[in-house]
Amino acid sequence: GNSVTQMEGPVTLSEEAFLTINCTYTATGYPSLFWYVQYPGEGLQLLLKATKADDKGSNKGFEATYRKETTSFHLEKGSVQVSDSAVYFCALSDTGNQFYFGTGTSLTVIP
Amino acid sequence: DTAVSQTPKYLVTQMGNDKSIKCEQNLGHDTMYWYKQDSKKFLKIMFSYNNKELIINETVPNRFSPKSPDKAHLNLHINSLELGDSAVYFCASSQGGVHYGYTFGSGTRLTVV
Repeated sequence: GNSVTQMEGPVTLSEEAFLTINCTYTATGYPSLFWYVQYPGEGLQLLLKATKADDKGSNKGFEATYRKETTSFHLEKGSVQVSDSAVYFCALSDTGNQFYFGTGTSLTVIP
Repeated sequence: DTAVSQTPKYLVTQMGNDKSIKCEQNLGHDTMYWYKQDSKKFLKIMFSYNNKELIINETVPNRFSPKSPDKAHLNLHINSLELGDSAVYFCASSQGGVHYGYTFGSGTRLTVV
């Protein structure tokens, strides 16, 4: 079946550090892949997405590349800010129009 | 002009009570969902509705029932509330299709005492 596995947190980084949050998936067919961000006290917001292999999604300095050969969709940012502190969810959407979320990774950026 | 709005934002109630959470979307999306997020931030899908038909119904207690009066609304009714129902409940909507993401509401924090 379909599933998403992402690295466990919490992750704590200093401001301007490099961020990687690993995400791997298992899917039949050709899913789309997403990263969502949840700021404290808020709902989830779509951060970026990629709909086919080798696509790169990007937004707000974050990037993730859809790697079919490694079934991965790792989230990266070159220089994090305090305002990036949030919980990040990797997700996939399959051809059956169902979403599968990872367990979330909490990121705290300290000044 | 909030895209997906749910009310109330906070709900504190006693065990055994019946409560409802309302959700409305003005995006013209075809499908709406209810998710439960526990204290560890784990998201569990509860229901989804597409054109007034239930298309996903995970193994949730039958005390929970979705009601969709029209395509823009999906309300969640909970009967005989239990302590374990305390969580944040999110409504979401999507256009449908594998390439489209979800748009989430801001959540309802339910506390059962």
